[in-house]
Amino acid sequence: GQNIDQPTEMTATEGAIVQINCTYQTSGFNGLFWYQQHAGEAPTFLSYNVLDGLEEKGRFSSFLSRSKGYSYLLLKELQMKDSASYLCAVLNQGGKLIFGQGTELSVKP
Amino acid sequence: DTGVSQDPRHKITKRGQNVTFRCDPISEHNRLYWYRQTLGQGPEFLTYFQNEAQLEKSRLLSDRFSAERPKGSFSTLEIQRTEQGDSAMYLCASSDGTGDYGYTFGSGTRLTVV
Repeated sequence: GQNIDQPTEMTATEGAIVQINCTYQTSGFNGLFWYQQHAGEAPTFLSYNVLDGLEEKGRFSSFLSRSKGYSYLLLKELQMKDSASYLCAVLNQGGKLIFGQGTELSVKP
Repeated sequence: DTGVSQDPRHKITKRGQNVTFRCDPISEHNRLYWYRQTLGQGPEFLTYFQNEAQLEKSRLLSDRFSAERPKGSFSTLEIQRTEQGDSAMYLCASSDGTGDYGYTFGSGTRLTVV
């Protein structure tokens, strides 16, 4: 089967750092993606990992361990506008993106 | 190119009616995907096309759902005899098939069946 798990919701303080974890079991693996989705809007691409290690892009970083079926998204210097749902998704063997349920992040002042 | 466009943005329909949604992908993208998303959940795969060929259809998709991409450009998703359980956001996405940047999503069509 295919399964992607991430926490349902998280809360953090403006200016802080938050880590959103994702574990996966899928039929094949061709990369892991993180998307950001504000309420009522389309998901937007944040990051892509296909090899083990850390990818850094400004305030956002994403880590992948293929042997552990694990990834995390790290958000630094949190801003109020970072309040959104964060979706972990795996590109499976068939070239299809399989999504987790999303983590609703609330950033408080 | 302005990205992936979906029409309409919102649709309210009575139970039992048929509805059709349209998606215009990024013109250079040969792959087009339909997903459904309900509140608090991630997008669920429905079907996808490579050019005009429909390559996969989810088991979630009942016989009331049909999708087409007749000329390998825009696509339509039709739901016949709508049910209240069909209420959801229907997302369209396109990609160039390389996987490097995942998909580009449209803004979605929010369907409410009353």
